[in-house]
Amino acid sequence: NAGVTQTPKFQVLKTGQSMTLQCAQDMNHNSMYWYRQDPGMGLRLIYYSASEGTTDKGEVPNGYNVSRLNKREFSLRLESAAPSQTSVYFCASSPRGDNEKLFFGSGTQLSVL
Amino acid sequence: QKEVEQNSGPLSVPEGAIASLNCTYSDRGSQSFFWYRQYSGKSPELIMSIYSNGDKEDGRFTAQLNKASQYVSLLIRDSQPSDSATYLCAVYNNNDMRFGAGTRLTVKP
Repeated sequence: NAGVTQTPKFQVLKTGQSMTLQCAQDMNHNSMYWYRQDPGMGLRLIYYSASEGTTDKGEVPNGYNVSRLNKREFSLRLESAAPSQTSVYFCASSPRGDNEKLFFGSGTQLSVL
Repeated sequence: QKEVEQNSGPLSVPEGAIASLNCTYSDRGSQSFFWYRQYSGKSPELIMSIYSNGDKEDGRFTAQLNKASQYVSLLIRDSQPSDSATYLCAVYNNNDMRFGAGTRLTVKP
């Protein structure tokens, strides 16, 4: 029972490079989320998808794009990475659209030099 | 601006004591309240949820909610060294889940 799987676990980018963070869940959850976690600032919502085919901006969407490829997969893309995007990124899912009980992936540590 | 405030700590308690973690929030329309535990280098995991005023107990954990005061707390009884972690308060309203910065708890043997 894998739950929420994120790849990669670690990534180092140079400023201006692009990359996609992958997330997949095998719990048949409707809603999926991308958060970033920075020291002293808690978790901040980047984007979420309440259901397959829909995406919405969260608190800090600038510099990111997302794709809800199907019910299982929700990817996060950095088109032109900036040092300010150095962070730990967490994907999460929940069974219902009301954001209750988030199940988190193991996280991606991203450094942008 | 929807704010969720927690004392960052660190909060240090001896083994067997009660640890008290506090959280205040600014959005009066908030509907659901959660406590997540996060060990260093790991992802958050849900330990308690509470939706109505009063207390909710689950084993050694008790969540308390006071919507009039916009205050939610978590009590951990008989604290164990394995409870040492960062505790995140989360507040939900209308597709928006906001997290506090977390309180780091250390339980000393």
